[in-house]
Amino acid sequence: KNQVEQSPQSLIILEGKNCTLQCNYTVSPFSNLRWYKQDTGRGPVSLTIMTFSENTKSNGRYTATLDADTKQSSLHITASQLSDSASYICVVSAYDSNYQLIWGAGTKLIIKP
Amino acid sequence: EPEVTQTPSHQVTQMGQEVILRCVPISNHLYFYWYRQILGQKVEFLVSFYNNEISEKSEIFDDQFSVERPDGSNFTLKIRSTKLEDSAMYFCASSRQGSSNQPQHFGDGTRLSIL
Repeated sequence: KNQVEQSPQSLIILEGKNCTLQCNYTVSPFSNLRWYKQDTGRGPVSLTIMTFSENTKSNGRYTATLDADTKQSSLHITASQLSDSASYICVVSAYDSNYQLIWGAGTKLIIKP
Repeated sequence: EPEVTQTPSHQVTQMGQEVILRCVPISNHLYFYWYRQILGQKVEFLVSFYNNEISEKSEIFDDQFSVERPDGSNFTLKIRSTKLEDSAMYFCASSRQGSSNQPQHFGDGTRLSIL
């Protein structure tokens, strides 16, 4: 069964600290993996999209990694800011099909001053 | 930066009534999508739309739902005979191309509350 599991479910860190969020998936065959940021009450915003051949992709202070062999991805946030408080959602595509986008439940990140 | 806009931001409707959710996608985008997110749950794909027809739809998107692009700018989701379980946040998204590795730009959603 195609699934995307994220950990931790929630995370609280102090402003300025780094953190890493995890995503494990069992989606097959794999097409691509993306990370979204969703602020409370807002729509998701795309951070990165990675295909099979990409191991690392950065977007400012956000760096996503992908290990297609172990079917794991991580999102590393450097020097966290209060505005990073949000849910971070991992989404995996099984085929070149929007229907086959498998959404994770997200990690709720809270940055404290 | 261009945005996807959705109206209304909050819709309260009696069970059994019809509701229309409106979206204005980014102007040069050709592919349009509706998603829903029940409170505390995962985002769920409903439907994708291209060239004035549905390209994909999920099992959720049954005969109760329909989509339309009535003019060059609006994209609507109609829900007939609403049920309590239709209460959710509905997100519209658009993309320039239809491949799943293209970024989709989301609106801020319409919160639908069925009483």
